Amino acid sequence: EPEVTQTPSHQVTQMGQEVILRCVPISNHLYFYWYRQILGQKVEFLVSFYNNEISEKSEIFDDQFSVERPDGSNFTLKIRSTKLEDSAMYFCASRGTGEGSPLHFGNGTRLTVT
Amino acid sequence: AQSVTQLGSHVSVSEGALVLLRCNYSSSVPPYLFWYVQYPNQGLQLLLKYTTGATLVKGINGFEAEFKKSETSFHLTKPSAHMSDAAEYFCAVSDFMGAAGNKLTFGGGTRVLVKP
Repeated sequence: EPEVTQTPSHQVTQMGQEVILRCVPISNHLYFYWYRQILGQKVEFLVSFYNNEISEKSEIFDDQFSVERPDGSNFTLKIRSTKLEDSAMYFCASRGTGEGSPLHFGNGTRLTVT
Repeated sequence: AQSVTQLGSHVSVSEGALVLLRCNYSSSVPPYLFWYVQYPNQGLQLLLKYTTGATLVKGINGFEAEFKKSETSFHLTKPSAHMSDAAEYFCAVSDFMGAAGNKLTFGGGTRVLVKP
């Protein structure tokens, strides 16, 4: 069964550094998402992306965050200047067309900001 | 705005006993409802979903859930717990309106412990 893949699985970075989290969505999916889960807290929506543009973003997704689909397969989340509170598990998801089609999630990237 | 409330952040059940995980939602439009499971160090895996039609939906691993509009609930059950059911379970709601196209809003999750 096709799956969403994320790299790296773990990323450690220093505060103020830029990080790029990478995702390869399922190939025929058209909707893409980033979520994050701070340790012990709920899974939070960050951003959705369709037709090469952001379709919705949450309050968390401020100017420090950006997303890109640089080619036909990758979907990236960039954090320009990481803060300690950005430490979390980041999940990429993709969805096909059709009402009610579910999101398919990757295994996540655990980001630790020191 | 949508929201999901999962009653009980931790549930402990004996192997072979009924598993019941509670989920209540609020939505201004007819919702799409989902249950996901997260095993340690893994992503979120879809257990089952409700979109339209039959209100009792069956999913993988013997789980099922019933959509009750009058109670705004979507509780998850499994008749007989197995050790492999130990995981965290998330209820989620989405609507089909808006440019986001089915953004999911998650509940806080319920961690299930299965005792031998």
